[in-house]
Amino acid sequence: AQSVTQLDSQVPVFEEAPVELRCNYSSSVSVYLFWYVQYPNQGLQLLLKYLSGSTLVKGINGFEAEFNKSQTSFHLRKPSVHISDTAEYFCAVLYILTGGGNKLTFGTGTQLKVEL
Amino acid sequence: DVKVTQSSRYLVKRTGEKVFLECVQDMDHENMFWYRQDPGLGLRLIYFSYDVKMKEKGDIPEGYSVSREKKERFSLILESASTNQTSMYLCASSLFPGESSYEQYFGPGTRLTVT
Repeated sequence: AQSVTQLDSQVPVFEEAPVELRCNYSSSVSVYLFWYVQYPNQGLQLLLKYLSGSTLVKGINGFEAEFNKSQTSFHLRKPSVHISDTAEYFCAVLYILTGGGNKLTFGTGTQLKVEL
Repeated sequence: DVKVTQSSRYLVKRTGEKVFLECVQDMDHENMFWYRQDPGLGLRLIYFSYDVKMKEKGDIPEGYSVSREKKERFSLILESASTNQTSMYLCASSLFPGESSYEQYFGPGTRLTVT
């Protein structure tokens, strides 16, 4: 069974400071990993994804994440945050079904609050 | 521009009512999904469908059913709404595996309150 753990429910940070949002997963098969962002009163939007290849993945809005197979982690980072990055961030693992189709398992989310 | 739309942003219903939540995508995607989102629990999959008239139970299907009569439309049905179904409901769609990046595209959500 696949599961995703986001240990930090809230992360406060000052503007222009670096931030890391942690994500650990458990899976017995090859993994496809995602980070989604949800701005207030909106649906989810894809930030970045890891399917294969380079373990350092760059996404939109200056975010990046590193896939670490030995530590089963996929932490999200940004070197300098902006007020507009205040949002909820979700890590997710994709599960490919044998009969076709696919489904995502999400973590519980991390609320990033950027302060002046 | 890809688009997933949901019929209502806010909905208030009474306990015992039958509730329909509609989702439409204009991207010709095979897969469609219904999630509910609750604080501290993240997103949990209720049902999904990878073809017309096909449906699969997700992680929390109890109290819900779905209908997919056309490729672009996926409906979530609460047969008899209860207060513990008060939540944010999110619809998503994606291409069939192997054809793209597996990205799921989300609608804006419907905040349902059952009183």
